[in-house]
Amino acid sequence: NAGVTQTPKFRILKIGQSMTLQCTQDMNHNYMYWYRQDPGMGLKLIYYSVGAGITDKGEVPNGYNVSRSTTEDFPLRLELAAPSQTSVYFCATNPGVNTEAFFGQGTRLTVV
Amino acid sequence: QKEVEQNSGPLSVPEGAIASLNCTYSDRGSQSFFWYRQYSGKSPELIMFIYSNGDKEDGRFTAQLNKASQYVSLLIRDSQPSDSATYLCAVTGNAGKSTFGDGTTLTVKP
Repeated sequence: NAGVTQTPKFRILKIGQSMTLQCTQDMNHNYMYWYRQDPGMGLKLIYYSVGAGITDKGEVPNGYNVSRSTTEDFPLRLELAAPSQTSVYFCATNPGVNTEAFFGQGTRLTVV
Repeated sequence: QKEVEQNSGPLSVPEGAIASLNCTYSDRGSQSFFWYRQYSGKSPELIMFIYSNGDKEDGRFTAQLNKASQYVSLLIRDSQPSDSATYLCAVTGNAGKSTFGDGTTLTVKP
């Protein structure tokens, strides 16, 4: 039982490049989230999904896109990387409203 | 005003002391409250959750919630060096979305 798996763990991107951060869960949770965490700060919600086929913007969605074609996968897409997107990205799931969140290991992204 | 505010750190306590971490929130409709611990370079992990006013104890940890004052706290008794980490307060409302505070970094000195 792997829980929440994120890939890659580290990535360096050049300005203007694009990439997809992968998130897969085997917990059969409907709710999935993408957060970013800047140094010394808390987690900011980028996008979330309450089930397959349903996504919605969070607090800081600009520059990102998501899709949710299956319960298990919730990839985050960066189309035109900018230095402001340098951060640690966490994918999380929970089984329902007002329940504990389970986090992936994080992806440390640097845009140069 | 931030939606979730935590007492500014860093907080340093000697081993064996009580560490007190505080959090206030602005949304009166908030329904559930979580404390996560995050070691440097790692992902957050749940320490405590609380839904109702009052105290909730789990081992050395006690969460306290006062919805009228929009205040939630975490007490760590008999603090250990392994408790040294950043503690994140999270408040959840509609659709299960959590809003996180910026965290308080705790150092427990042997």
